[in-house]
Amino acid sequence: DTGVSQNPRHKITKRGQNVTFRCDPISEHNRLYWYRQTLGQGPEFLTYFQNEAQLEKSRLLSDRFSAERPKGSFSTLEIQRTEQGDSAMYLCASSPIPLSAGIEQYFGPGTRLTVT
Amino acid sequence: DAKTTQPTSMDCAEGRAANLPCNHSTISGNEYVYWYRQIHSQGPQYIIHGLKNNETNEMASLIITEDRKSSTLILPHATLRDTAVYYCIVRPRESNTGKLIFGQGTTLQVKP
Repeated sequence: DTGVSQNPRHKITKRGQNVTFRCDPISEHNRLYWYRQTLGQGPEFLTYFQNEAQLEKSRLLSDRFSAERPKGSFSTLEIQRTEQGDSAMYLCASSPIPLSAGIEQYFGPGTRLTVT
Repeated sequence: DAKTTQPTSMDCAEGRAANLPCNHSTISGNEYVYWYRQIHSQGPQYIIHGLKNNETNEMASLIITEDRKSSTLILPHATLRDTAVYYCIVRPRESNTGKLIFGQGTTLQVKP
């Protein structure tokens, strides 16, 4: 069990640049979630996929953000024209369908973005 | 918005039981109580969940009051590695999206 992996683990970028993060879920998991976490706060839901379909997007996901999961496996989250307010930890999680009795979502270690 | 209320922080001595409370006074009949924890610089980790009966697994015990308006997560013998932020979340068991709505959680500091 390799778990959920995210790359890169850390990203420093200048304001106005574009960044892309990758998430590799657990292989048999159909659902993939993206969350954002700022310092001192709990994670906030951004969006989720069931296979390759993006089924829900939070209003936190502005039009500068786009997420894809083209083949229903890995996912990418892109932020265009980054702003300092985008500095946060971006977490990916996956889960199987149907939700199993005990285990809910498996989270990756996150990508920490710093916008200077 | 999160539907739970937790203390901001708690301390516990190593080897003692850590009892983390959570209020969820507006919980509805089909909602379960879930607990996750987040160790520094890691993603959240599932701990336990329950509906109305007390639950126990290898990590912790969950005690839910009879009226279901509050619950307590018990770590029976806390270790230094249990230092983390603990999140109490309520949501329907058969949620269409499965998304989790986190509050600010309780920061548990286990001290030697």
